[in-house]
Amino acid sequence: NAGVTQTPKFRVLKTGQSMTLLCAQDMNHEYMYWYRQDPGMGLRLIHYSVGEGTTAKGEVPDGYNVSRLKKQNFLLGLESAAPSQTSVYFCASRPRTGVFTGANVLTFGAGSRLTVL
Amino acid sequence: DAKTTQPPSMDCAEGRAANLPCNHSTISGNEYVYWYRQIHSQGPQYIIHGLKNNETNEMASLIITEDRKSSTLILPHATLRDTTVYYCIAMDNYGQNFVFGPGTRLSVLP
Repeated sequence: NAGVTQTPKFRVLKTGQSMTLLCAQDMNHEYMYWYRQDPGMGLRLIHYSVGEGTTAKGEVPDGYNVSRLKKQNFLLGLESAAPSQTSVYFCASRPRTGVFTGANVLTFGAGSRLTVL
Repeated sequence: DAKTTQPPSMDCAEGRAANLPCNHSTISGNEYVYWYRQIHSQGPQYIIHGLKNNETNEMASLIITEDRKSSTLILPHATLRDTTVYYCIAMDNYGQNFVFGPGTRLSVLP
């Protein structure tokens, strides 16, 4: 059981280049998230999805686009990379929970380290 | 979702209990308190969660005050491996966002 898999793990881009980060989960989770983490900082939510075909903006969505065409995959795209987007990107997923279960447990991927020169 | 406040850093002696506080004074009745930690550069790892009763699992204990305005994560016998950043989050089951603050950096000292 792989859990949440992110590809690639490392990538170096030049300013203005585009790329896509792929997140894949095999737990049949409805909710998926993309976060970024800058050095010494907490995680900031970029975009999230509550189900196949749906996406929503988080705290820091500018400069990113996402798609959830299949339930198991959540793609994060950078159309024109900027040095400010140098960061570690984490994907996470969780199941849809009942009202009283309280089991909003996120499962995270290992992260993707992106450097924009 | 309620905002949570944590001290930026704490120290604890190896083998002693580490008590990490979290303030969530605006928490609503149906919001749970979740704790995660992030070791090295990996994604955060779930530790424990609770609503109003104290909770214990193999990793830690969670003590929630009666008025639910604050909570404490307890690592009963801290080891050097517990040195990392701990995050406290308040969220209800209708919430869609998981918002992580800067957390508390725990240093377990030998």
